[in-house]
Amino acid sequence: DQQVKQNSPSLSVQEGRISILNCDYTNSMFDYFLWYKKYPAEGPTFLISISSIKDKNEDGRFTVFLNKSAKHLSLHIVPSQPGDSAVYFCAASALDTGFQKLVFGTGTRLLVSP
Amino acid sequence: DTGVSQNPRHKITKRGQNVTFRCDPISEHNRLYWYRQTLGQGPEFLTYFQNEAQLEKSRLLSDRFSAERPKGSFSTLEIQRTEQGDSAMYLCASSSDRVPYNSPLHFGNGTRLTVT
Repeated sequence: DQQVKQNSPSLSVQEGRISILNCDYTNSMFDYFLWYKKYPAEGPTFLISISSIKDKNEDGRFTVFLNKSAKHLSLHIVPSQPGDSAVYFCAASALDTGFQKLVFGTGTRLLVSP
Repeated sequence: DTGVSQNPRHKITKRGQNVTFRCDPISEHNRLYWYRQTLGQGPEFLTYFQNEAQLEKSRLLSDRFSAERPKGSFSTLEIQRTEQGDSAMYLCASSSDRVPYNSPLHFGNGTRLTVT
């Protein structure tokens, strides 16, 4: 039972263009969503998050959008840079667990070419 | 803040052997988590400690797995009688309960286990 789904295993974008990574979830109890970036041989690094009371959160080149009715979130990277090439994981948690028991998607590999 | 440290980085073992991994969280963090990531999958939750107390364990954590956090500082994850299906990246993460609930977890670089 995959509660967090990233249906695109990979995405290729040219430098300077927009990258849009998508994530869907099924558990309506999720109230906090995060994006992590992972380089090879390293652990996931936190990128940006959004609470369910918001529909948008922005941090520099990164913006996360949340559509609760559709149970969908997306990460926009503008402009994309070659250093953004990594695997991006969407994750979600529910406040009623009392701690951050994250449920991760399977990841999307982003390749930004010069 | 030196980050979450995990040792060893790589471990190759033969099926049936026991292995132990260590995690040193960020020093002021009292919450510690273990996750496991297999090829092509995202990390999956294994267990959670608040200080020295193990408060939740996933069904993924069979009775061959045991995790401890003596004195609420570093943690160890032991796998007994390893099986090939245990081959994975084992990730440790930490956080503090003195910050808002929605503060992100800090992950270490993981221990990659290969069971031959």
